[in-house]
Amino acid sequence: DGGITQSPKYLFRKEGQNVTLSCEQNLNHDAMYWYRQDPGQGLRLIYYSQIVNDFQKGDIAEGYSVSREKKESFPLTVTSAQKNPTAFYLCASSPMGHRGEVSDTQYFGPGTRLTVL
Amino acid sequence: AQSVTQLDSHVSVSEGTPVLLRCNYSSSYSPSLFWYVQHPNKGLQLLLKYTSAATLVKGINGFEAEFKKSETSFHLTKPSAHMSDAAEYFCVVSVWTLGVNQFYFGTGTSLTVIP
Repeated sequence: DGGITQSPKYLFRKEGQNVTLSCEQNLNHDAMYWYRQDPGQGLRLIYYSQIVNDFQKGDIAEGYSVSREKKESFPLTVTSAQKNPTAFYLCASSPMGHRGEVSDTQYFGPGTRLTVL
Repeated sequence: AQSVTQLDSHVSVSEGTPVLLRCNYSSSYSPSLFWYVQHPNKGLQLLLKYTSAATLVKGINGFEAEFKKSETSFHLTKPSAHMSDAAEYFCVVSVWTLGVNQFYFGTGTSLTVIP
């Protein structure tokens, strides 16, 4: 059963602690993305990765870090430097297009709701 | 510059009546356009996608959208609303620039279906 999984679904952390959100996909997609969603707003891009061992900052990368050691995994760490980490975090992936470029279609995981107490 | 504007933050319709969710975009390039649906505490599910083929795009669950270049619009419609359509809907523009697909999300339209 192919898809994108994010765990856990709900996560609670104390202020000042780092926390890592998991994103795994078995779709053999090359590109993976992390977004943050706040109430009443669209999605904002945190980081993205088009190939293993390479990733780029998105629009709101400050206070976050990622790694891409395996094609199927793209974990996101929310560090204590992130000033307002409480949000809904969505992971997405895209396959490679027929011309060798990353497809323009993204497929999303179910999300992780992080609450910092 | 690219941007996406969803003209209504909330839309309420009665069950069985038509749905219209409006989206306008601006893009310096030929964009791909998408509509996604998000149910509470869930990820985004792709409803439909436009990529410069037919201007009327049919999606899942009876939804369709029409690309109108002259109006820079990509409104989402459905002839008859169902209770299960109640959700948040996002219009998304994708533009290929500098070797990367850049995605621009609207702020969402919350659809309420009244029984």
